Amino acid sequence: GDSVTQMEGPVTLSEEACLTINCTYTATGYPSLFWYVQYPGEGLQLLLKATKADDKGSNKGFEATYRKETTSFHLEKGSVQVSDSAVYFCALSRRYGGSQGNLIFGKGTKLSVKP
Amino acid sequence: EAQVTQNPRYLITVTGKKLTVTCSQNMNHEYMSWYRQDPGLGLRQIYYSMNVEVTDKGDVPEGYKVSRKEKRNFPLILESPSPNQTSLYFCASSFLTGLQETQYFGPGTRLLVL
Repeated sequence: GDSVTQMEGPVTLSEEACLTINCTYTATGYPSLFWYVQYPGEGLQLLLKATKADDKGSNKGFEATYRKETTSFHLEKGSVQVSDSAVYFCALSRRYGGSQGNLIFGKGTKLSVKP
Repeated sequence: EAQVTQNPRYLITVTGKKLTVTCSQNMNHEYMSWYRQDPGLGLRQIYYSMNVEVTDKGDVPEGYKVSRKEKRNFPLILESPSPNQTSLYFCASSFLTGLQETQYFGPGTRLLVL
C-alpha cells in the first residue's frame, strides 16, 4: 500500500545551519505531497505542498521538490532559526477518482535549533 | 476566522466510560477526518467523511465511531475506551475536490484512559 518514510530524528542544529529532512514515498498513481509542521503544543499546519512531478513547494524559506524519478520530497532550508524548532511531517494524499482522499503521514522528524 | 475547533482539549477517563470528542469547522468543508498521533508512529487516520451522512474507515478504526449529521460537525465517539486509546487526537477538514485539498487541523485533544 501507499506509504511515507522520513528520516528519523531528533535533529539538532545550530542557528543558521543548513537543514535537509529526507522523505520518500511509495504510491500508485500521482499523489500530492505535503510537508506539515507541528509547533510545541499545537496542531499541524501546512508548510508547503506540491501536486505534480517537478513542482517545487516553498514557504517561510523552506523548499521541497516533487521528484517522481526518485519518489522523494526532501525538505530543505538554507539557514534555520530557533523559531523553526518543531516536528515536521511528510505526507501524501491518496485520491479516489480525482476527489479528496486520505493523508498518509510519515512518523515525523523533530528539529531542535540551538542559538 | 477560519478554524477547526475540538473539545475537550484534555480528558482523563476510566476504562469503559463512553466519551465523545467534538469537532467543528466553519469553512464549509465537505471533507473531515480524525487522526491519532502516537510516539514513533506519526499520525494515523481513524475515520473520514466526504460529506453529510457519508463516512468511512481509515487505517485504525477499531474502537471508534463517528457521525456526520451536519456539515460542520464530526464527533468522535469512544463507546468503551481502553488504555490503548490513550493518545493525541486531531480533527481535520478540507474541500473535497480540485487542488484545494490542504487539510486544516484542530488544536488536538489529549486523552488518557486509565
